Amino acid sequence: AQSVTQPDIHITVSEGASLELRCNYSYGATPYLFWYVQSPGQGLQLLLKYFSGDTLVQGIKGFEAEFKRSQSSFNLRKPSVHWSDAAEYFCAVVDQTGANNLFFGTGTRLTVIP
Amino acid sequence: NAGVTQTPKFRILKIGQSMTLQCTQDMNHNYMYWYRQDPGMGLKLIYYSVGAGITDKGEVPNGYNVSRSTTEDFPLRLELAAPSQTSVYFCASSYRAGEGTGELFFGEGSRLTVL
Repeated sequence: AQSVTQPDIHITVSEGASLELRCNYSYGATPYLFWYVQSPGQGLQLLLKYFSGDTLVQGIKGFEAEFKRSQSSFNLRKPSVHWSDAAEYFCAVVDQTGANNLFFGTGTRLTVIP
Repeated sequence: NAGVTQTPKFRILKIGQSMTLQCTQDMNHNYMYWYRQDPGMGLKLIYYSVGAGITDKGEVPNGYNVSRSTTEDFPLRLELAAPSQTSVYFCASSYRAGEGTGELFFGEGSRLTVL
């Protein structure tokens, strides 16, 4: 079955620094991959998604992610982090063998220090 | 545009009590979901529905029930609350077609504590 792994539970970066959040997937064919963000006390919001085509995907709020099949990865990046980016980030994959439901990783909490 | 609305936002239950978490969406989405979120565990799918009158179990359905009588509403019922059901519950909906597949719209969550 498909799954995603987020190896980093918590990451701290300085405001203005670059950011990379890791996501590894397990799936035999081309996966449908997503990144969601959850601000404190809120529901999840879609940042970006990958279905096919260009492996570098642009999202909202200045985020991008790159699909690398050779590494089974879909890492999220941002060149310059803002204090408002502090949140929890979830990678997710569609279960294409079943009911096309979404399965989430365990999340990475981002802290931004001034 | 309200999107996905969940009520209540907070609730404390005693062991053995019952309650219903309400969820409604105004986007005419066919697909609706209930997830629970526990610290360090991500989101786990409890139940989902592909349309009015059709529901199915997700990863962690035990202790819960759902119904889907209309496109808009997808309530989650806890019959005999247990401490293990202390969690934050999220309702979500989606439109499934091509590249819309998997894009979920979430409510703000319902924090439930069972004591």
